[in-house]
Amino acid sequence: QSALTQPPSASGSRGQSVTISCTGTSSDIGDYNYVSWYQQHPGKAPKLIIYEVNKRPSGVPDRFSGSKSGNTASLSVSGLQAEDEADYYCSSYAGNNNVVFGGGTELTVL
Amino acid sequence: QVQLHESGPGLVKPSQTLSLTCTVSGDSISTDSYYWSWIRQPAGKGLEWIGRIYPTGTTNYNPSLNSRVTMSLDTSKNQFFLELSSVTAADTAVYFCARTIVVPYYFDFWGQGTLVTVSS
Repeated sequence: QSALTQPPSASGSRGQSVTISCTGTSSDIGDYNYVSWYQQHPGKAPKLIIYEVNKRPSGVPDRFSGSKSGNTASLSVSGLQAEDEADYYCSSYAGNNNVVFGGGTELTVL
Repeated sequence: QVQLHESGPGLVKPSQTLSLTCTVSGDSISTDSYYWSWIRQPAGKGLEWIGRIYPTGTTNYNPSLNSRVTMSLDTSKNQFFLELSSVTAADTAVYFCARTIVVPYYFDFWGQGTLVTVSS
């Protein structure tokens, strides 16, 4: 199966908002509300920040939000802070017991 | 708090089999609410799902790796395992184990990862 498509980079100034897209197909994102997002700082393990499109685990700030429209999911980060600078990965169930990830987006906080 | 820890050889020769162990604490791998997964990340690249195992031993693998992957578990030791055969340099990566929620299929707890290098 093909990886989901994310922009390689995104940036925003402190306090501003940024949105990262994740484009799949009608066989993955378009067919299931099983999109999740992960934050990964350098040398660290990924951390779950969004699941089932728009749900936040306990402890994740409400500055992080998720949405989906058709075959594209999005992660929005508002009130950007320095610690938000990291790589972000989307993931989706792709049917037939498969899971796919996006290629990752490097977020820079200016 | 659930914790996962990967262990195994950091260096594997080409054509040999990569073998890793994930030891879980703070939760039982026999719980039927979860799968247990392996995910890898080549240096500077994105994440790739390798596969998962259910407490019953049922497995699902990434089709691109299916012919080379075997997963198993030992509930008495609260461990699960990955074997990847016929490795090449392309299999060099950080390998993560993760707890996976059944049905929504998201990964809520991850190990810190272990680097495996394939080289002669």
